[in-house]
Amino acid sequence: DQQVKQNSPSLSVQEGRISILNCDYTNSMFDYFLWYKKYPAEGPTFLISISSIKDKNEDGRFTVFLNKSAKHLSLHIVPSQPGDSAVYFCAASASNTGKLIFGQGTTLQVKP
Amino acid sequence: DTAVSQTPKYLVTQMGNDKSIKCEQNLGHDTMYWYKQDSKKFLKIMFSYNNKELIINETVPNRFSPKSPDKAHLNLHINSLELGDSAVYFCASSQDFGMSNQPQHFGDGTRLSIL
Repeated sequence: DQQVKQNSPSLSVQEGRISILNCDYTNSMFDYFLWYKKYPAEGPTFLISISSIKDKNEDGRFTVFLNKSAKHLSLHIVPSQPGDSAVYFCAASASNTGKLIFGQGTTLQVKP
Repeated sequence: DTAVSQTPKYLVTQMGNDKSIKCEQNLGHDTMYWYKQDSKKFLKIMFSYNNKELIINETVPNRFSPKSPDKAHLNLHINSLELGDSAVYFCASSQDFGMSNQPQHFGDGTRLSIL
């Protein structure tokens, strides 16, 4: 039973345009959501997060939106840069468990 | 400075062997984790230790035994390796346990291949 899903295995965008990565979850107990970025042969690196009490968090070119009623979150990258090409993992946690539950990742390719 | 380091980076071995993967973090964190990334790319938690005590133990075969000699180290020992153990294993750490707003920091992974 996959509680966090990223239904798009890959996404390709042009440099300078917006990248939108999507994530859906099923567990209403999740109260914190994170995005990680992963380059080949490296570990995931924390990118941005959002608490369930918010609906938006912004950090530079990266913005995460949370729609609790739809159990959906998205990561917007604007403008996209070739260096953003990586695998992006969505993750969720419930404070009473201490566990991070990951989606299966979306591979983003930003073309020059 | 490497925050979370794992050794070895690659491990190729025969079925039935016993092997260990080591992990060290220099972030002063209290909590450490082991994750497995399988062929379908899902990252799934296996174990978590907080201040050397086991706090998360997912449904992992008991051939897998984590050991935490101190809070900066969490090693993973695997007995009687099977083909299905082939995966990338990631170590991670976080400041404390159960604090959702503290991101986990990951090592670069150990790619285990069973022949």
